[in-house]
Amino acid sequence: GAVVSQHPSWVICKSGTSVKIECRSLDFQATTMFWYRQFPKQSLMLMATSNEGSKATYEQGVEKDKFLINHASLTLSTLTVTSAHPEDSSFYICSARDRANTRNEQFFGPGTRLTVL
Amino acid sequence: GEDVEQSLFLSVREGDSSVINCTYTDSSSTYLYWYKQEPGAGLQLLTYIFSNMDMKQDQRLTVLLNKKDKHLSLRIADTQTGDSAIYFCAEKVRWVGGSQGNLIFGKGTKLSVKP
Repeated sequence: GAVVSQHPSWVICKSGTSVKIECRSLDFQATTMFWYRQFPKQSLMLMATSNEGSKATYEQGVEKDKFLINHASLTLSTLTVTSAHPEDSSFYICSARDRANTRNEQFFGPGTRLTVL
Repeated sequence: GEDVEQSLFLSVREGDSSVINCTYTDSSSTYLYWYKQEPGAGLQLLTYIFSNMDMKQDQRLTVLLNKKDKHLSLRIADTQTGDSAIYFCAEKVRWVGGSQGNLIFGKGTKLSVKP
């Protein structure tokens, strides 16, 4: 149980285009999903917290107009990188919190590698 | 602010024990976690410990928590080549900015297991 999927697993796009990444909780309901970004050989940095049915909460320094987050259902959150630039190239990982889990554990997706040319 | 520190590299021989150390700063952390990340993959939860415990054992994994010193360690017994990965320590803090109950990660310790 507690499986989180991400789609696509990797994507290459041209500079200036937009890319949408999906995060799904497959066998549980997630009231909260988190989006992280990981640069090579570095730790995960939380970008935003997404609560189902409400606006996402962005961490300091993360542009909300550039990284659009939608959490329309209890099993799906999307991150759209708008007008992507090469510096947006990174590994994006989502996690989901099972609302039925009293320990409030976060379960991580496998990540999406974005390369912007 | 909240911070989690780990050493960046650890190299051991197959069959030896590995000990990965971590220090954290938020004394109000309720849970502390160890995650494993294999190359190109997401994070896999290995184990966790609640802050009122000082030790937890799960098969080859032993977690020790020294709450006074804010020190957490992960011991892997009989380390295998398949254990080669990056191990992240994470603390669950009560409040970070506008987000409640988020995880703060260390930079990760790259474990290399030599045959």
